[in-house]
Amino acid sequence: AQSVTQPDIHITVSEGASLELRCNYSYGATPYLFWYVQSPGQGLQLLLKYFSGDTLVQGIKGFEAEFKRSQSSFNLRKPSVHWSDAAEYFCAVCFKAAGNKLTFGGGTRVLVKP
Amino acid sequence: EPEVTQTPSHQVTQMGQEVILRCVPISNHLYFYWYRQILGQKVEFLVSFYNNEISEKSEIFDDQFSVERPDGSNFTLKIRSTKLEDSAMYFCATRDSITYNEQFFGPGTRLTVL
Repeated sequence: AQSVTQPDIHITVSEGASLELRCNYSYGATPYLFWYVQSPGQGLQLLLKYFSGDTLVQGIKGFEAEFKRSQSSFNLRKPSVHWSDAAEYFCAVCFKAAGNKLTFGGGTRVLVKP
Repeated sequence: EPEVTQTPSHQVTQMGQEVILRCVPISNHLYFYWYRQILGQKVEFLVSFYNNEISEKSEIFDDQFSVERPDGSNFTLKIRSTKLEDSAMYFCATRDSITYNEQFFGPGTRLTVL
């Protein structure tokens, strides 16, 4: 069965520092890959997605992610974090052959220190 | 920008009662999904729905759950006899057939079963 792993449950970063969130998936084929952000008490907002093509994708709010097929990874990065980036981040995958349902990782909670 | 809406935003109910959660999809979207997120846990797929029938359902989606599109606009999730463990945030998501696999999420309904 497909699975998504986000190894870091919590990350604390200083404002202005860089951020990288890890995501690994397990499946034979290349999935469609997504990163969502969830602020406290809010819904899920799509940050970026990868379907095919250029493996470095740009998203909203200054985020980018890189797909590495050899590592089955899709890590999210931001060069300089703002206090408003404090939230929970979810990596998700889906496969057209598996009905397009999204399978989510466990999430990484990001805390931003002033 | 079009968005998915969900009502109510909060629902408190007694164990054993029926609840109906409502979602209004983006107007040209034809594929509908329900997910849930138990507090502090990851988002889990419940069911997908297309062309007035269930496409796929998870093992969570047992006989107590049902979905329908009663009037061609709303998409509903019904829980017939709620249990304490049904307490969660329920998210509706929809997508069209063009930007395939990109699901747009509603803000969620927080269900509390007492």
